[in-house]
Amino acid sequence: DTEVTQTPKHLVMGMTNKKSLKCEQHMGHRAMYWYKQKAKKPPELMFVYSYEKLSINESVPSRFSPECPNSSLLNLHLHALQPEDSALYLCASSQDQTGRLFFGEGSRLTVL
Amino acid sequence: AQSVTQPDIHITVSEGASLELRCNYSYGATPYLFWYVQSPGQGLQLLLKYFSGDTLVQGIKGFEAEFKRSQSSFNLRKPSVHWSDAAEYFCAVGAWNYGQNFVFGPGTRLSVLP
Repeated sequence: DTEVTQTPKHLVMGMTNKKSLKCEQHMGHRAMYWYKQKAKKPPELMFVYSYEKLSINESVPSRFSPECPNSSLLNLHLHALQPEDSALYLCASSQDQTGRLFFGEGSRLTVL
Repeated sequence: AQSVTQPDIHITVSEGASLELRCNYSYGATPYLFWYVQSPGQGLQLLLKYFSGDTLVQGIKGFEAEFKRSQSSFNLRKPSVHWSDAAEYFCAVGAWNYGQNFVFGPGTRLSVLP
């Protein structure tokens, strides 16, 4: 199993809603990542979890709240988002020092 | 901190023609270099990677890339492009620590003419 699975694939939410994006991998990887990708732009790193602890937070607004309940799961909790937060949110994981990132297909978020 | 540039925003080639996508990086140590491809609305797929050793690396789908330290480049090539290669291509450089800082280039969009 060499997959990173993200749900939901599409999400539409209002600015007052609370929702969550989920990411799961069963490859035994110990680092997991959230990236944000706007149209026609490269992915931008948001958060990195290493051994279930937050190791990198790239100055992301507090309306995005990551959570790593265990080594296989990564969540991104969303609250009071803005329309400009509409984007493709990509999850990735990596195992070792070969730098291979495995990406999920992404969750496309639209904030109305 | 590392950085990556991809000088070509958009390239159009005819099917069957050869392809070269340019990538230049800036990094103080030995870089870990990658090429990813992204089809519209999809996630990212790794084409190939370079860590050390042979500077010409082979990847999936018939792609190869050559690391040239003197030019700080890692250009992607394919001898004969297929219509299905139309996509966005991202070069990336990784700095090595666990929970790595991994930087993508701005991307090059490839269009393929029939």
